[in-house]
Amino acid sequence: KAGVTQTPRYLIKTRGQQVTLSCSPISGHRSVSWYQQTPGQGLQFLFEYFSETQRNKGNFPGRFSGRQFSNSRSEMNVSTLELGDSALYLCASSLNPGGTDTQYFGPGTRLTVL
Amino acid sequence: AQKVTQAQTEISVVEKEDVTLDCVYETRDTTYYLFWYKQPPSGELVFLIRRNSFDEQNEISGRYSWNFQKSTSSFNFTITASQVVDSAVYFCALRLAGANNLFFGTGTRLTVIP
Repeated sequence: KAGVTQTPRYLIKTRGQQVTLSCSPISGHRSVSWYQQTPGQGLQFLFEYFSETQRNKGNFPGRFSGRQFSNSRSEMNVSTLELGDSALYLCASSLNPGGTDTQYFGPGTRLTVL
Repeated sequence: AQKVTQAQTEISVVEKEDVTLDCVYETRDTTYYLFWYKQPPSGELVFLIRRNSFDEQNEISGRYSWNFQKSTSSFNFTITASQVVDSAVYFCALRLAGANNLFFGTGTRLTVIP
């Protein structure tokens, strides 16, 4: 079974631009979560989607948004990019939210903002 | 509030030595889940183990073993006879029942020297 896939793997943008990252969960997994990893803040939860609905959101500004499609694929968008948005963005999928299901992570998208 | 502490920032060991990575967590919830993930240089978080709060049995998987002690809120990870391939950053994480977001520790970078 294929794992979580994320595209693109690398991105370079300039301040003020916007970016869209994509995540395809493991087949059959319906819950998708996004995390941001930076050297200063570590791994932080961004948001979680299940059945095309956002279930939970971390403490990030409104410039960070996401959505989930009917096939469980998810996208996250960051508008008006800032230098501090440079990070590794990781997507994780699980069968269902909560419960005893384990989250499995993709390889991440490394975003560099110049 | 939930918190995960990994006090060891970096550890270096010589190949074949045993090494223990410490993890201490804080939560007032009675039902929760604890995880260990491995992050090699490629960036992907690789799932290693999940432990439920109501199951304090220690677990061994090959060279890996985990010691969960609710009395001290610790969930330590031991690698026996370490190998160079074990070099990575290891993260301990906490998730509450009914939620899907993970609270991560700051990670421990393990370097195994041949």
